[in-house]
Amino acid sequence: GQGVEQPDNLMSVEGTFARVNCTYSTSGFNGLSWYQQREGHAPVFLSYVVLDGLKDSGHFSTFLSRSNGYSYLLLTELQIKDSASYLCAVRDDGMGYKLTFGTGTSLLVDP
Amino acid sequence: GPKVLQIPSHQIIDMGQMVTLNCDPVSNHLYFYWYKQILGQQMEFLVNFYNGKVMEKSKLFKDQFSVERPDGSYFTLKIQPTALEDSAVYFCASSSGGTRAETLYFGSGTRLTVL
Repeated sequence: GQGVEQPDNLMSVEGTFARVNCTYSTSGFNGLSWYQQREGHAPVFLSYVVLDGLKDSGHFSTFLSRSNGYSYLLLTELQIKDSASYLCAVRDDGMGYKLTFGTGTSLLVDP
Repeated sequence: GPKVLQIPSHQIIDMGQMVTLNCDPVSNHLYFYWYKQILGQQMEFLVNFYNGKVMEKSKLFKDQFSVERPDGSYFTLKIQPTALEDSAVYFCASSSGGTRAETLYFGSGTRLTVL
């Protein structure tokens, strides 16, 4: 069916890496965004991808495969403060640049 | 970075009353949005707004909901009358449109509790 799917939870260790997966099935595709959201705070924009491949933005990298309806957010050299929810959001064919969000993945970084 | 301000941060009202949630979007942004998030659940699109008009609304945007931005002031979401299931955090967002349309800037949300 239509929608954006993410695993609920993810755990990793400080200094290592974490990969947050996202799969989507939408009416059309006009780009995918990743946001970070901390409890009780606004979602903060991290990255936007619209072309296939890996986009390296330092601490955050994003990958997109449009044919597979799949993206991931890769966080490297994890810090404790990276513990947060990471939201995947897809812009479909709707009007006005609407984003459809996934349920978010709660990342816990252990010392 | 750009800031979207939402007032108030918390609102508690009795079922059946009217409530207005206020949003001060990023200046010179043209597109405005409201999202609803129930605790522990996903952000769900309610409505977007451009050039004084609603562009698209979801099934969650009931007849009791309305939005406006009179004279370039606050972008508001009004619920009249409220129902228990309206309890949630409501996030406002804005974007500039054009090539940076993909970047929505969000406010910190208004936590609405309907008793």
